[in-house]
Amino acid sequence: GEDVEQSLFLSVREGDSSVINCTYTDSSSTYLYWYKQEPGAGLQLLTYIFSNMDMKQDQRLTVLLNKKDKHLSLRIADTQTGDSAIYFCAETRDSGNTPLVFGKGTRLSVIA
Amino acid sequence: EAQVTQNPRYLITVTGKKLTVTCSQNMNHEYMSWYRQDPGLGLRQIYYSMNVEVTDKGDVPEGYKVSRKEKRNFPLILESPSPNQTSLYFCATRGLAGRGTQYFGPGTRLTVL
Repeated sequence: GEDVEQSLFLSVREGDSSVINCTYTDSSSTYLYWYKQEPGAGLQLLTYIFSNMDMKQDQRLTVLLNKKDKHLSLRIADTQTGDSAIYFCAETRDSGNTPLVFGKGTRLSVIA
Repeated sequence: EAQVTQNPRYLITVTGKKLTVTCSQNMNHEYMSWYRQDPGLGLRQIYYSMNVEVTDKGDVPEGYKVSRKEKRNFPLILESPSPNQTSLYFCATRGLAGRGTQYFGPGTRLTVL
């Protein structure tokens, strides 16, 4: 079945850029998402990208998609302590008929 | 305001005592699902529902039941809870149109003693 892989931990210094990577196996993936989970909270959608796009930028967030390598990344510029959270990558084939497949999440720790 | 609500938010119970976790959404979404989150295992889907009276098993359905009698509600039922069902549970919804964004509830932390 489909699989989504992420590294489990990332530690960066405040003010540096963070890059969280994700790989997926389903070549039919159409929508790819990044979710953020702060301690004790639910998952919050950060951003998403369609498979026909290479890049999407939204303020401090940049999503890069390499469809050939099935590789997705999330770059957070000027990382702040408030960015400390677990970040989940997810993918799905369509807009609503199939479940999202989630990675196990990357725990980002920001050191002041 | 778009909302997914879950109740209760925290629950401590004993083995074998039936419980229900409710989930309600106000976005008129067709698709609803339940996940459990455990350390090191990420999110695992328990059950999902494509629409009223349509439910299907996810990756870890054993020990759980669901029902979808109304579009807005999707309760998760544990008929005979066991300690291995101690976990953090999330309800989520998606609309069938558009970019398919999935919205999550705030979570229910369940402890089974």
